[in-house]
Amino acid sequence: GDSVTQMEGPVTLSEEAFLTINCTYTATGYPSLFWYVQYPGEGLQLLLKATKADDKGSNKGFEATYRKETTSFHLEKGSVQVSDSAVYFCALSDASGNTGKLIFGQGTTLQVKP
Amino acid sequence: DSGVTQTPKHLITATGQRVTLRCSPRSGDLSVYWYQQSLDQGLQFLIQYYNGEERAKGNILERFSAQQFPDLHSELNLSSLELGDSALYFCASSRWMNTEAFFGQGTRLTVV
Repeated sequence: GDSVTQMEGPVTLSEEAFLTINCTYTATGYPSLFWYVQYPGEGLQLLLKATKADDKGSNKGFEATYRKETTSFHLEKGSVQVSDSAVYFCALSDASGNTGKLIFGQGTTLQVKP
Repeated sequence: DSGVTQTPKHLITATGQRVTLRCSPRSGDLSVYWYQQSLDQGLQFLIQYYNGEERAKGNILERFSAQQFPDLHSELNLSSLELGDSALYFCASSRWMNTEAFFGQGTRLTVV
């Protein structure tokens, strides 16, 4: 079945460092890809999305490009802030079933130190 | 604020009991999804309703059931609770079946 694999955390960075969180997927069909963020004690918020190959999603300085050839959707940010500390989830939508249900990776905890 | 409301925020109950979690989707959203987040299983899809009808089922136990009412709010019923059911339960909603989903803040269930 469809699946998402994220790099293990936690990731600890200093403020203004470059961030990459790797995400690869396995899917039949052509899923949409998402990054969600979960701040402590809160629900999931959609960070960015891409719906087809070579699309780039971007929001709040974060970017990710849908790479069909490498089945990847890596999250990047050029300069992280302490306020970016959170858990980041990569997810894909069930394209073949046309339901919109999401399959999530295991989440990567990011800790940014001042 | 995503516009998705879940109640209660916290719930503590004993093994063997039954609880009901409630979700009000964003205004105009027809699709409701339930997810379970636990330390060992991560975020798992449980079940989806669209305009009152069940559309997809995931790793939902037989002790769990859900429904979506005519006003589009949804309830997740968990019965014969076990310690392992302790988790964060999220509801999400979307306008149609394959559009962007917005998540509520979750209900944290603790079974003691």
